[in-house]
Amino acid sequence: SAVISQKPSRDICQRGTSLTIQCQVDSQVTMMFWYRQQPGQSLTLIATANQGSEATYESGFVIDKFPISRPNLTFSTLTVSNMSPEDSSIYLCSVEDGGRPYEQYFGPGTRLTVT
Amino acid sequence: RKEVEQDPGPFNVPEGATVAFNCTYSNSASQSFFWYRQDCRKEPKLLMSVYSSGNEDGRFTAQLNRASQYISLLIRDSKLSDSATYLCVVNPRDDKIIFGKGTRLHILP
Repeated sequence: SAVISQKPSRDICQRGTSLTIQCQVDSQVTMMFWYRQQPGQSLTLIATANQGSEATYESGFVIDKFPISRPNLTFSTLTVSNMSPEDSSIYLCSVEDGGRPYEQYFGPGTRLTVT
Repeated sequence: RKEVEQDPGPFNVPEGATVAFNCTYSNSASQSFFWYRQDCRKEPKLLMSVYSSGNEDGRFTAQLNRASQYISLLIRDSKLSDSATYLCVVNPRDDKIIFGKGTRLHILP
């Protein structure tokens, strides 16, 4: 399966600021996804990032708050904008890596704390 | 009814025992099913896909019951290293998968 890295692994940010999270994959993949996992909760899909087109956002998530870039088939960024303490969460990117459809592989996550 | 439901546990099971847990799903048109494992403070990792005929991988057996709309995971001869949260994942519609909240498993020495 693909090897996925994320930067930063963790950060503590002040409210009102923005943080950009990077996701790098060691092979070319078509579908990349961004998830949020709040404490004690399961994963919630934020958006699907496809190369060459705008990201597709899930209900409750908007581009102004979570802009996404996908400049090529191995890289994506998620920005958490104008942060508030409610944005404190783990943010994970994932990819579908061939094989069976919908099988996803995750990066190690970015643990964000907003103070 | 939630799209994907799991008993949150925790299941406290002695080492060597067999443990099973289920996951129910609401959309009868769902086509793909998976079990993921998530260790504390780590990312989820794919444990196994669940096929219509059921499938086995070593000590792990996954089964699908379409009539009752649930999938199950059976772990035999449990090891301490099996302690984790097990996430049920269902594909209820095109291009989307839904994660359950997970079942916590503690294997006791």
